Amino acid sequence: AQKVTQAQTEISVVEKEDVTLDCVYETRDTTYYLFWYKQPPSGELVFLIRRNSFDEQNEISGRYSWNFQKSTSSFNFTITASQVVDSAVYFCALTYSGAGSYQLTFGKGTKLSVIP
Amino acid sequence: DSGVTQTPKHLITATGQRVTLRCSPRSGDLSVYWYQQSLDQGLQFLIQYYNGEERAKGNILERFSAQQFPDLHSELNLSSLELGDSALYFCASSVEKGGGDTGELFFGEGSRLTVL
Repeated sequence: AQKVTQAQTEISVVEKEDVTLDCVYETRDTTYYLFWYKQPPSGELVFLIRRNSFDEQNEISGRYSWNFQKSTSSFNFTITASQVVDSAVYFCALTYSGAGSYQLTFGKGTKLSVIP
Repeated sequence: DSGVTQTPKHLITATGQRVTLRCSPRSGDLSVYWYQQSLDQGLQFLIQYYNGEERAKGNILERFSAQQFPDLHSELNLSSLELGDSALYFCASSVEKGGGDTGELFFGEGSRLTVL
């Protein structure tokens, strides 16, 4: 069975601080994909990143960066110089590539509040 | 805008009633996924359809059913509604191009169901 744990339920930071959101996953599959989604107060789920299990390179996109470490089964997300618009719930998710279905297993989410 | 359209955005109904939620996937996407987001259970996978056929089933109640039509839009039918069915229901479609696909899901804005 797959499982995603986001131990941080809520985080508050002051604007311009850096913040890291933790994600730990469990899977028996050797090929899998990890995702981060953002859910702003308006409610939609916005795709941020996808990483496959064979690619452990860190990725940076503007103020966002992701650190994937297979050895610790973690896929952490860092926002640099946070802004008020980053306030949202962030979900880490996991899927396996089998049988033509990419059903995601989501973590419980981390609510980030960026205070001006 | 993800390209996935869900209607209605909000729905209020009474216990025991039946509702239908509709989803139009992104142009060209053959797969449709339904997810439920509730305070208790978080984001849970319900069911997936691929090109008109059911492909995967998750934690979907027997009172719920879905189908995908020839034009690829999908409907999620919820019957004998209970208070606990109040949730945000998401539809997602995926970019599936055959072997080696990434399983990236694009979510609609969701249909918020309130059962009174």
